[in-house]
Amino acid sequence: DAGITQSPRHKVTETGTPVTLRCHQTENHRYMYWYRQDPGHGLRLIHYSYGVKDTDKGEVSDGYSVSRSKTEDFLLTLESATSSQTSVYFCAISERQGNPYEQYFGPGTRLTVT
Amino acid sequence: QQQVKQSPQSLIVQKGGISIINCAYENTAFDYFPWYQQFPGKGPALLIAIRPDVSEKKEGRFTISFNKSAKQFSLHIMDSQPGDSATYFCAASYGNEKLTFGTGTRLTIIP
Repeated sequence: DAGITQSPRHKVTETGTPVTLRCHQTENHRYMYWYRQDPGHGLRLIHYSYGVKDTDKGEVSDGYSVSRSKTEDFLLTLESATSSQTSVYFCAISERQGNPYEQYFGPGTRLTVT
Repeated sequence: QQQVKQSPQSLIVQKGGISIINCAYENTAFDYFPWYQQFPGKGPALLIAIRPDVSEKKEGRFTISFNKSAKQFSLHIMDSQPGDSATYFCAASYGNEKLTFGTGTRLTIIP
């Protein structure tokens, strides 16, 4: 998975609790992304980062926040988890040099909110 | 608003047959059209991609056909094999790093 790790890989949490998912890369790529994957919806972009401390919203950003204090780490936080946030979350990275726009995905985190 | 529509949702093809998955887009500013392949329990991986200045791109058994006037593109898998059984996503991008994905097609190749 192109030097990308996600932690935890599985998590079950209760409604209303905060949750933080971590994405770590060893490729030194500039761009990092968080997606959620749900049946019938494909992959939808939550937030992305174009550099350290530079982030922007995707199409489904409500209820999520992100932070990137180092090139290699991109954190996704659910401030107060809801059942609608039960999903599989994927982190991806890309770098403009070389093959533009090609995104490399991590192994995913399966989150269940009860 | 779904900007990339993908069909069919699921597809069953016999071994050795041709698998065809279609996508249609609305935004004429899109300039990059990749296909991703995803196996169960794994993240998606880039399979093949095309830009709108060509009508077809072939890599081994995988071919993208692109119709700019119809705003459609499709993935053809020739001589489909059981190892091709996976979920396939089309996507599109316009001049930046953000990809808009289709809803996915679950492909099953039967003996």
